Amino acid sequence: ELKVEQNPLFLSMQEGKNYTIYCNYSTTSDRLYWYRQDPGKSLESLFVLLSNGAVKQEGRLMASLDTKARLSTLHITAAVHDLSATYFCAVDWGDDKIIFGKGTRLHILP
Amino acid sequence: DSGVTQTPKHLITATGQRVTLRCSPRSGDLSVYWYQQSLDQGLQFLIQYYNGEERAKGNILERFSAQQFPDLHSELNLSSLELGDSALYFCASSAETGVADTQYFGPGTRLTVL
Repeated sequence: ELKVEQNPLFLSMQEGKNYTIYCNYSTTSDRLYWYRQDPGKSLESLFVLLSNGAVKQEGRLMASLDTKARLSTLHITAAVHDLSATYFCAVDWGDDKIIFGKGTRLHILP
Repeated sequence: DSGVTQTPKHLITATGQRVTLRCSPRSGDLSVYWYQQSLDQGLQFLIQYYNGEERAKGNILERFSAQQFPDLHSELNLSSLELGDSALYFCASSAETGVADTQYFGPGTRLTVL
């Protein structure tokens, strides 16, 4: 069965701290996407990871993919309040099978 | 503003009815994707069109259908609506159809089935 698990599902953290969101998936894939969703808003594409060892960075966010461990991480460095949002990962297994994680609701306290 | 527009913004209808959601992609984008976000099912990929042709089909129910027109706008048709179809429906567009292409999302249509 194809599964995507994100953890934690909820995260409250202080500004200035570092933290990592994890996205585990059940079966080998080398295509993984990260999205951001602000409360009551639409989705925004953050990163596309397409190979083992891929690392992408944008500002305080860095995403990586380890296909052997079937794991992607989204690392937040020195969090700021503006990063408060829900973050989703999605795994693409090809053959039209794309499954999203449940999302991690991130709340950054000023 | 992503450049992707969706209409209507909100839609309230009754069970058994049929509705059409419309999406206009960013200028020049050839691919359109449809997604459903509900409390029960979370986010689901429904279907993708590229330059008028169906390219990928995800968890789209048989009661749902979509098409992309020559001007590249797309419509998602939902029929025989059930309470469980209440959700946010997003479309997204990208320039091409490659997996690396960035998708730009519209603001969504909130469908409420009573």
